[in-house]
Amino acid sequence: DTGVSQDPRHKITKRGQNVTFRCDPISEHNRLYWYRQTLGQGPEFLTYFQNEAQLEKSRLLSDRFSAERPKGSFSTLEIQRTEQGDSAMYLCASSLYWRENTGELFFGEGSRLTVL
Amino acid sequence: GNSVTQMEGPVTLSEEAFLTINCTYTATGYPSLFWYVQYPGEGLQLLLKATKADDKGSNKGFEATYRKETTSFHLEKGSVQVSDSAVYFCALSGFQGAQKLVFGQGTRLTINP
Repeated sequence: DTGVSQDPRHKITKRGQNVTFRCDPISEHNRLYWYRQTLGQGPEFLTYFQNEAQLEKSRLLSDRFSAERPKGSFSTLEIQRTEQGDSAMYLCASSLYWRENTGELFFGEGSRLTVL
Repeated sequence: GNSVTQMEGPVTLSEEAFLTINCTYTATGYPSLFWYVQYPGEGLQLLLKATKADDKGSNKGFEATYRKETTSFHLEKGSVQVSDSAVYFCALSGFQGAQKLVFGQGTRLTINP
């Protein structure tokens, strides 16, 4: 399968614990995005990378959230000291970007976080 | 800032009915417009897109026309099938090639046989 893969698909944790999600994008894609989706809402942008550089972070991304893409391939999203409000589906997407491209983002199936 | 508003769901139709899902947007500049679909148990998939005013995107019998004068991008299909049951998201991305998407809240569509 050459699509975007995310791991784990579902994580249940207790409030205050740290969690980490991993995203493996489509191999030739240079951009990688993280979104958060809560029940009944559309995905909300969190952050994105071009290669290994993190180019933008949303105001939604508090200090407890950190994302990395160390070698410009896979990415991790870590949430420290989880809160119940962090419960959501975390979506990863990747794309092949060049200046004139208004092209497609390819999404993974998401990692669902439940904070008890 | 940029935003997208979709008609609220859920929407329930019978097979072969005509479908319209309304989408309006607010944006600076000249955004590109998209419809994404999420089938049960699957990730979001691009359904169609339009990159400039008066463009029509189409795929799988669905169509949407980029209307700058009404800031709209309504999704239509002439005859829906049970397999079209899914959640549909309207989205926009900024100009100058920016690919960061702003999504609407989604519309759940159920088609009954």
